[in-house]
Amino acid sequence: NAGVTQTPKFQVLKTGQSMTLQCAQDMNHNSMYWYRQDPGMGLRLIYYSASEGTTDKGEVPNGYNVSRLNKREFSLRLESAAPSQTSVYFCASSEIWQNTEAFFGQGTRLTVV
Amino acid sequence: EDQVTQSPEALRLQEGESSSLNCSYTVSGLRGLFWYRQDPGKGPEFLFTLYSAGEEKEKERLKATLTKKESFLHITAPKPEDSATYLCAVPNSGNTGKLIFGQGTTLQVKP
Repeated sequence: NAGVTQTPKFQVLKTGQSMTLQCAQDMNHNSMYWYRQDPGMGLRLIYYSASEGTTDKGEVPNGYNVSRLNKREFSLRLESAAPSQTSVYFCASSEIWQNTEAFFGQGTRLTVV
Repeated sequence: EDQVTQSPEALRLQEGESSSLNCSYTVSGLRGLFWYRQDPGKGPEFLFTLYSAGEEKEKERLKATLTKKESFLHITAPKPEDSATYLCAVPNSGNTGKLIFGQGTTLQVKP
């Protein structure tokens, strides 16, 4: 099993460009999450999807949108990238919402110049 | 305010030198505490879940324990391959889908 797969692994964007980060899990998990990790800030939740068909804002949702395409896939879109969105992005999934362990992808290192 | 604090921020050990990492939390109605290991350039890897005070979990040289206000990750006779950042996390009090992570403890084990 691949677990949680994120693409791309690295990306450089110019300010104002848009892009979509893709995430897929093969563990039949109901819940999926997008986090960003910045030095000194730890992991912060951007958006989550408690179950297929639902999405909700996390701690730092501004500048992002998400789509739960189906049970397996959860994408994160940056409509107009800003340098403040330079970060490492992690997708995660868990069997049920919140109270079970989450499994993380390998991350996408995004630089906005 | 919900908060998770880990200490120390960094820990350097000699191979075989046992120690403990601390994770203290302030949330109402704890619904689980999770420990993760993160290697440089990788995503966090799940280690343990603890649900109630007094609970203990073990995996190789690691043992996690939980009290009503904190959790400890004990590392017995560590090896260089145990070097990593260790993160703990708890669900927020409002049960609104937010997992609160600590800042992590970066462990370096020297041979």
